[in-house]
Amino acid sequence: EPEVTQTPSHQVTQMGQEVILRCVPISNHLYFYWYRQILGQKVEFLVSFYNNEISEKSEIFDDQFSVERPDGSNFTLKIRSTKLEDSAMYFCASRLRLAGGVNEQFFGPGTRLTVL
Amino acid sequence: EDQVTQSPEALRLQEGESSSLNCSYTVSGLRGLFWYRQDPGKGPEFLFTLYSAGEEKEKERLKATLTKKESFLHITAPKPEDSATYLCAVQAVNAGGTSYGKLTFGQGTILTVHP
Repeated sequence: EPEVTQTPSHQVTQMGQEVILRCVPISNHLYFYWYRQILGQKVEFLVSFYNNEISEKSEIFDDQFSVERPDGSNFTLKIRSTKLEDSAMYFCASRLRLAGGVNEQFFGPGTRLTVL
Repeated sequence: EDQVTQSPEALRLQEGESSSLNCSYTVSGLRGLFWYRQDPGKGPEFLFTLYSAGEEKEKERLKATLTKKESFLHITAPKPEDSATYLCAVQAVNAGGTSYGKLTFGQGTILTVHP
């Protein structure tokens, strides 16, 4: 069964360093998302991406964040200068665009980012 | 602002003891309500999508229902392997009247089923 994959599973970095989190969405899906979950808190939306551009982003997704689909399979989230409060589990998700536009998102296993 | 509130925060059941989880929502225009299961350290696993009030979906021991203000996840005769956090999420139209799939999640209900 197709699934969303993410690498690495755990990333440890120093405050101020750049990190890139990688995702491979399900192959025929057209919408891509990043969410994060700080330990013990809700899953929070960061950004949605469709047709090679950002379609929606949250207040969390400031100038320190960027997303890219560098080729036909990968979808990346870059944090330019990490802060302690960026420590969280980051989930990638994808969905197939259907007529009417409402259908489920499939999530990857997550990347745990620890900023020291 | 879209809001999703789940109750209870935690629920302990004996194996075979049926119960329900609640998800209350406030949105500008609901496009869909989703239930996910999340195991510790893992990503959310899709369970159900509900689109309109009165709709019901079933899968094994789980049944999800939807009204105009809330959704219920009914668990019939649960087993220990049903232990997980159950997440409710809504997809709504944004300020521009469109929807690109952004999900707003509740904080989840931690379900523990004892043998």
